[in-house]
Amino acid sequence: EAGVAQSPRYKIIEKRQSVAFWCNPISGHATLYWYQQILGQGPKLLIQFQNNGVVDDSQLPKDRFSAERLKGVDSTLKIQPAKLEDSAVYLCASSLDLQSTDTQYFGPGTRLTVL
Amino acid sequence: AQSVTQLGSHVSVSEGALVLLRCNYSSSVPPYLFWYVQYPNQGLQLLLKYTTGATLVKGINGFEAEFKKSETSFHLTKPSAHMSDAAEYFCAVGSGGSYIPTFGRGTSLIVHP
Repeated sequence: EAGVAQSPRYKIIEKRQSVAFWCNPISGHATLYWYQQILGQGPKLLIQFQNNGVVDDSQLPKDRFSAERLKGVDSTLKIQPAKLEDSAVYLCASSLDLQSTDTQYFGPGTRLTVL
Repeated sequence: AQSVTQLGSHVSVSEGALVLLRCNYSSSVPPYLFWYVQYPNQGLQLLLKYTTGATLVKGINGFEAEFKKSETSFHLTKPSAHMSDAAEYFCAVGSGGSYIPTFGRGTSLIVHP
């Protein structure tokens, strides 16, 4: 079974530029998550999708971050414009469904450096 | 509201020694508890989870954790450390009232030969 795929693995941009990350979840998984992991901290949820609908985006900085999951499969996360404090690893995860006991499967992450 | 405290940002053990990583949680409802491991430049991988039932949970790679409600703890243990266990370990808490687990800050396990 293929795991969660993310690209790119690394990205370096200057502040005020824009950037986009892509995630392909495990086939058949209805729920998709985007997390931000700042160095030395645990992952923080940015947004959660159930199929192509948003379940929770309360911690997404909507003035600069956006995410979509068209057709309920792949997802993209965009930052525009980027700030220095956005430097982090962005993790995508998927789970079979929305149950809080469902195991989340994580991708390898995209490491973003904002200069 | 729910939260997780992982005591010790770094734990250092010798190969073959007992591994003990501490996790305390706060939750207003019965919790679901998870331990994840993260190897360098990789995503998180589930080690084990407690939802209901038996309080001693066995996971992959010889790890286990015990849910102690009276102590609000879910410490992770392994009888004998291997060099390959060196990684970052995250405790997380979820609940029936929230679909979203809350992660601790992580504990880096260092294994010396």
